[in-house]
Amino acid sequence: QQPVQSPQAVILREGEDAVINCSSSKALYSVHWYRQKHGEAPVFLMILLKGGEQKGHEKISASFNEKKQQSSLYLTASQLSYSGTYFCGTESLGTNAGKSTFGDGTTLTVKP
Amino acid sequence: GAVVSQHPSWVICKSGTSVKIECRSLDFQATTMFWYRQFPKQSLMLMATSNEGSKATYEQGVEKDKFLINHASLTLSTLTVTSAHPEDSSFYICSARSEGLGSTGELFFGEGSRLTVL
Repeated sequence: QQPVQSPQAVILREGEDAVINCSSSKALYSVHWYRQKHGEAPVFLMILLKGGEQKGHEKISASFNEKKQQSSLYLTASQLSYSGTYFCGTESLGTNAGKSTFGDGTTLTVKP
Repeated sequence: GAVVSQHPSWVICKSGTSVKIECRSLDFQATTMFWYRQFPKQSLMLMATSNEGSKATYEQGVEKDKFLINHASLTLSTLTVTSAHPEDSSFYICSARSEGLGSTGELFFGEGSRLTVL
């Protein structure tokens, strides 16, 4: 079942913050986040496996709620290089071999 | 870090011909690889799961005779689009997950292959 991402699009000024959400109707095994630039393959950002987990790298972080049905990606003090489409990928409990389903994506545009 | 390589990165072919796309894991073994299709401004849609040494598992609505998948070794999976038609034009991406101890669960994506059928 495909996760639901929101918002569909965000436009920011450099230095502003953004939050992207990813929700599932069922508890998940894991959620992972990717950024894709136009014409390129997605690039891995991070994966969350545990309920209540939060992790981050530099100014990008993510959380996974206790029920493991919702994750948020936080982009702090955005840079021009953050522009792209962000996808969350999810693995449901019981899914075999790490099969992932992706949300429709959130297009982030950072302007100077 | 682990790298997945796809080839070719783009291909243009005539309607009715077949096209093969390769996906290689360069520094790790992958018993399972995944093939996705992505239309412009849309999400990645999983087409099939490629299993080394056995038949691929196709998602609902994906024609297995149209999209032939072969996973002959632990580092190579191929997707062949048979008798391609203009509606098959798309961005095809493969991914693989490094397995074993120390694996982070990260999915490594190939660079993608853009297919244009005239």
